[in-house]
Amino acid sequence: DSGVTQTPKHLITATGQRVTLRCSPRSGDLSVYWYQQSLDQGLQFLIQYYNGEERAKGNILERFSAQQFPDLHSELNLSSLELGDSALYFCASSPFPQASNEKLFFGSGTQLSVL
Amino acid sequence: TQLLEQSPQFLSIQEGENLTVYCNSSSVFSSLQWYRQEPGEGPVLLVTVVTGGEVKKLKRLTFQFGDARKDSSLHITAAQPGDTGLYLCASDGGTSYGKLTFGQGTILTVHP
Repeated sequence: DSGVTQTPKHLITATGQRVTLRCSPRSGDLSVYWYQQSLDQGLQFLIQYYNGEERAKGNILERFSAQQFPDLHSELNLSSLELGDSALYFCASSPFPQASNEKLFFGSGTQLSVL
Repeated sequence: TQLLEQSPQFLSIQEGENLTVYCNSSSVFSSLQWYRQEPGEGPVLLVTVVTGGEVKKLKRLTFQFGDARKDSSLHITAAQPGDTGLYLCASDGGTSYGKLTFGQGTILTVHP
């Protein structure tokens, strides 16, 4: 158990809909990262928050947004969903990014299926 | 963005065999991490290598970092069914800590 909690574990929805994925980081970790894993693209970085503020962005679509709340949990919002958004979405956390070899702790992921 | 190439993409072996997985880049790694991911779970960090020529061992797993820091390998001795999983190499390029670029991974299946 990594200590990172993601809910829900599975999500099935239709095209055009909007969903929210939730992540609770490990106790004490200030930084949260969102990654997307698909068969064709592999594991890709989406966005990072540190202590409530956006710190880094990857190839995140404009239809996607995220935030980190004062209690440090984070939510990833996906809107106007398309079939191609079907993927595993992972949240990871770390104390705070202070070194090049920072250890990330990953949650078990949310499997999103867009039908 | 640094590109990481892993090979082979798939590996299916019998219990007791040895295997090696490779991770290569056209540019120098600041550091490199190896993760293992099991079905239904997130990646779990196995090791981080930082220094060129570095060798790290984790039980039956041996990790090597190339002298030029452009390649790395993971060698498993006497593989067991519990080693089955997706093995990923990753690097953050030394500039955006935690913003990892992952290789496509090697899917390892060890048959009893």
